[in-house]
Amino acid sequence: KQEVTQIPAALSVPEGENLVLNCSFTDSAIYNLQWFRQDPGKGLTSLLLIQSSQREQTSGRLNASLDKSSGRSTLYIAASQPGDSATYLCAVVPMEYGNKLVFGAGTILRVKS
Amino acid sequence: DAGVIQSPRHEVTEMGQEVTLRCKPISGHDYLFWYRQTMMRGLELLIYFNNNVPIDDSGMPEDRFSAKMPNASFSTLKIQPSEPRDSAVYFCASRSSFTANEQFFGPGTRLTVL
Repeated sequence: KQEVTQIPAALSVPEGENLVLNCSFTDSAIYNLQWFRQDPGKGLTSLLLIQSSQREQTSGRLNASLDKSSGRSTLYIAASQPGDSATYLCAVVPMEYGNKLVFGAGTILRVKS
Repeated sequence: DAGVIQSPRHEVTEMGQEVTLRCKPISGHDYLFWYRQTMMRGLELLIYFNNNVPIDDSGMPEDRFSAKMPNASFSTLKIQPSEPRDSAVYFCASRSSFTANEQFFGPGTRLTVL
């Protein structure tokens, strides 16, 4: 059974810092991996999608990498801003299920001004 | 594009009452998913549809839960009778099989069962 773990559970950094959020998954047989952002009381916003054949994706200050063989992904946020404060969720689509997203518990990020 | 639309945004009901949650997927998307989010269990898939047909309902917690998709632009998740442990945020998501398999989520319905 695929399990997704996110470390750390919470992170507090001063504005301007570069930071890395980690995601690990137990079964490397995945179709893709997706990073989401969730603001308090709101829905999920898709940030980046990495297909299993890709190594990384970039969008603005965000860069996500995927090492499928080791079951790891990282989300790198450059020059963090208070507006980046949110919960960041990692999810994979296991080949076993085809369409089902399996989520990690998330990392709560707080960027202090 | 309006994105995935869910209604109501908040629902407060009493134990034993019937609750119906509604979802309108993004136009042209052929997959629709219902998820539930709780503090204890995180985000869990309840059921998903492809071309209006239920494909996997293994995540539906019990017979009190049912979901329908009568057409490509509308789906419902019904709980009857509701119980306090059903209190959670319910999300609907959709995706297209013709793009990168990226799922797009609605704003969610926060359900409180008293």
